[in-house]
Amino acid sequence: GQQLNQSPQSMFIQEGEDVSMNCTSSSIFNTWLWYKQDPGEGPVLLIALYKAGELTSNGRLTAQFGITRKDSFLNISASIPSDVGIYFCAGRIGNQFYFGTGTSLTVIP
Amino acid sequence: DVKVTQSSRYLVKRTGEKVFLECVQDMDHENMFWYRQDPGLGLRLIYFSYDVKMKEKGDIPEGYSVSREKKERFSLILESASTNQTSMYLCASSPRSGPKETQYFGPGTRLLVL
Repeated sequence: GQQLNQSPQSMFIQEGEDVSMNCTSSSIFNTWLWYKQDPGEGPVLLIALYKAGELTSNGRLTAQFGITRKDSFLNISASIPSDVGIYFCAGRIGNQFYFGTGTSLTVIP
Repeated sequence: DVKVTQSSRYLVKRTGEKVFLECVQDMDHENMFWYRQDPGLGLRLIYFSYDVKMKEKGDIPEGYSVSREKKERFSLILESASTNQTSMYLCASSPRSGPKETQYFGPGTRLLVL
């Protein structure tokens, strides 16, 4: 299956800092999704993007659907300790979803 | 709120046992998926289903089968569990393809095969 290139693989940041992560692919997607996964839990949907160029916010989170439809980024502003977890991107083609390998975020109080 | 539930959070089974993992969604979604998640390998699709009694192989179907007798329920079956099937299993559902299709996950089942 297709794999999305997600970077960075891991991040260690101070509480209060902003965070940025992105996903790229050689394929064009119809939808980009961003999930957060806590240890031992299933991924929880954070933001869904449906149109090229779309910029969507959810609290301190902002995500954009790239104009080329081959990439997306997620920003987290003013990080807090509970932002710790693994963040995944996912892209949809038809009925199938393809996932990035995840960005592990550690927030140091 | 979309709800996807999985029958067990943790399971311990012995090699050779038949294992059933159940998934139920309450949003009348047509599509349901089973993934396994392993460190360094990300999420890999095992099987998916577009409708009742329909199933399609994903990327790693070997050693697994599925059953979709009712729209809300999608079962993953390990016919004869092996140690290399120790993993986190995630079920997901989504509505039939449309402009706003989004996928929702269950809490996961962590399976240990001894």
